[in-house]
Amino acid sequence: EADIYQTPRYLVIGTGKKITLECSQTMGHDKMYWYQQDPGMELHLIHYSYGVNSTEKGDLSSESTVSRIRTEHFPLTLESARPSHTSQYLCASSEGREDSGNTIYFGEGSWLTVV
Amino acid sequence: GQNIDQPTEMTATEGAIVQINCTYQTSGFNGLFWYQQHAGEAPTFLSYNVLDGLEEKGRFSSFLSRSKGYSYLLLKELQMKDSASYLCAVMDSNYQLIWGAGTKLIIKP
Repeated sequence: EADIYQTPRYLVIGTGKKITLECSQTMGHDKMYWYQQDPGMELHLIHYSYGVNSTEKGDLSSESTVSRIRTEHFPLTLESARPSHTSQYLCASSEGREDSGNTIYFGEGSWLTVV
Repeated sequence: GQNIDQPTEMTATEGAIVQINCTYQTSGFNGLFWYQQHAGEAPTFLSYNVLDGLEEKGRFSSFLSRSKGYSYLLLKELQMKDSASYLCAVMDSNYQLIWGAGTKLIIKP
C-alpha cells in the first residue's frame, strides 16, 4: 500500500491566479510524478523527478513548474491559471528500482477548476 | 513510435468472466502493469508482469507474451464493483511508463 497525499482535493479559482498543488509521500520513494487526466481520457505525464534537486518535463507540454527540495515533497505550481488548466492532477511515486519496484502508486488526485 | 492498444469499452454480465486485451509496441520492455480506475478516482495497482506467463491474484489474473507484444487481464466472477476503467502500461527501455488509453468495463446485472 502507498501513502501519498495530495492537497487540495478540490479547488475552484479565478483566471490569472497562482496555485500550488501539494504532494507528499511517506515511503521514501525516489521517483515522483505529476500526471494530468481529463475525465474519461488517458493519463498524460507533465513532470517527473528522479530524486532531490532533479526535475524533468514529461510528454505533455505544460505551463506548470515543479520543485523537489525534499524527498517526500513534490509540489506543482501554476503561475497564472487559465480555464484550459481545468483538469484532474494526479501525483504518484515509485521506488525507482528496476523490477516491480517501478510500480507507481497514485495519490487521490486534485480536481482543479479555473473559472 | 511507442503505442499501446486496448479496446475502448467492453460490457459483461455480473458473475461472468471477461478478458481485456492489450497489445504494445515499445522501444524495449521492462515490465507491464495493469491498473484499475473507478470514475473520478485515481488508478490503483492490480498486477505486474515481466516474464511470460500467467500471474493470478484472486479473481484477477494477468497474462504476458513478450514475443507477441501482448497481455490480457482476466476478471472472474464479475461483481458490480468491477465496473471501472482498466489501464495497461508498459515500462520501456528507459524505465519510462507508456500508458494505454484504458478500457471502460461496464458490468450489467
